[in-house]
Amino acid sequence: DQQVKQNSPSLSVQEGRISILNCDYTNSMFDYFLWYKKYPAEGPTFLISISSIKDKNEDGRFTVFLNKSAKHLSLHIVPSQPGDSAVYFCAASTRKLIFGQGTELSVKP
Amino acid sequence: DSGVTQTPKHLITATGQRVTLRCSPRSGDLSVYWYQQSLDQGLQFLIQYYNGEERAKGNILERFSAQQFPDLHSELNLSSLELGDSALYFCASSVGSYDNEQFFGPGTRLTVL
Repeated sequence: DQQVKQNSPSLSVQEGRISILNCDYTNSMFDYFLWYKKYPAEGPTFLISISSIKDKNEDGRFTVFLNKSAKHLSLHIVPSQPGDSAVYFCAASTRKLIFGQGTELSVKP
Repeated sequence: DSGVTQTPKHLITATGQRVTLRCSPRSGDLSVYWYQQSLDQGLQFLIQYYNGEERAKGNILERFSAQQFPDLHSELNLSSLELGDSALYFCASSVGSYDNEQFFGPGTRLTVL
């Protein structure tokens, strides 16, 4: 039973454009949602989070949007840079992190 | 560099064997979390220790066990290994008894032949 789903295994975007990564969840009890970024041969690193009582959180080029009625969150990266190329995992928390399968973002110069 | 170290980086073993994966958390962190990433799977939470005590359990098989020692390093023991146990095993650490922001090590790649 996949409680957190990332339906797009990969995404390719041109440098300077917007990258939008999507995530769906099923459990209404999650209290925080997070995005982690992973480069090859490294562990995931925390990127940004949002509380379930908010609908938007912004940190520089990264913005996370939460739509509770649709049980959907998204990560927007504007503008996208080649260094953003990585696998992005969304995660949801109820005192345990439940991760999605990841989306591989490729930003082309 | 997250400050979390994991050894070994790679491990190749045979079915039925037992292995031990080691994790040293960041200085000052009291919680250690273990995750498994199989092919085409997201990270699956296995177990968490906080200051030497088991804090939370996820989808950890009975063949797997973990502990956290007084110096706060942790070991994940995998026994009676099966082909399906081949995966990347990550350790993460954080300061408190539970934190959403966790600091991950580089992982141990286990291959069971």
